Amino acid sequence: QVQLVQSGAEVKKPGASVKVSCKASGYTFTSYGISWVRQAPGQGLEWMGWISAYNGNTNYAQKLQGRVTMTTDTSTSTAYMELRSLRSDDTAVYYCSSGYLYFDYWGQGTLVTVSS
Amino acid sequence: SYELTQPPSVSVSPGQTARITCSADALPKQYAYWYQQKPGQAPVLVIYKDSERPSGIPERFSGSSSGTTVTLTISGVQAEDEADYYCQSADSSGTSVVFGGGTKLTVL
Repeated sequence: QVQLVQSGAEVKKPGASVKVSCKASGYTFTSYGISWVRQAPGQGLEWMGWISAYNGNTNYAQKLQGRVTMTTDTSTSTAYMELRSLRSDDTAVYYCSSGYLYFDYWGQGTLVTVSS
Repeated sequence: SYELTQPPSVSVSPGQTARITCSADALPKQYAYWYQQKPGQAPVLVIYKDSERPSGIPERFSGSSSGTTVTLTISGVQAEDEADYYCQSADSSGTSVVFGGGTKLTVL
């Protein structure tokens, strides 16, 4: 069965960077892309962007352009999302999900807390 | 920026029918998807491509589309259906994904 397992919770200071991983299993990793979605405490879902696991093509949300980088390592079937210049409003649960225009499998989420 | 508009809350009694709407200009051109999210859990896809139901999702969940509005219908609501529901689609170019603000379904 398809599984997406994410790295553990992080606490970062404002201005720092965070890199969250998402290890996929149960399917051919390069057959589908990985999207990242975040959810601030008590708020709704926000799409961050997508990366093709086949060729590395990316499509980032305009709001995060310049601060986010998504990568994949096909040798370990793992996707990564790095967010730089963290601010307090980046505090959120970050989810990886398979798919591009919709999301049928989700990771368990990674809480990233940005606090001085 | 492109937005999907959902009501913040819907309340129904057990056994009744809940309808949650989602409106946006590009919905006639782009499919809509619906997710259920319970507290502390990741979202679960309950409807894809406007009206298709993934395997394992109960038949009481259905979706429909009319013009610029899509609707998630839950027939015979059960207590376990109490959750936040999000619609999701893409902008008219199909390159940017967007979520609605979410609707809290309360089962009275």
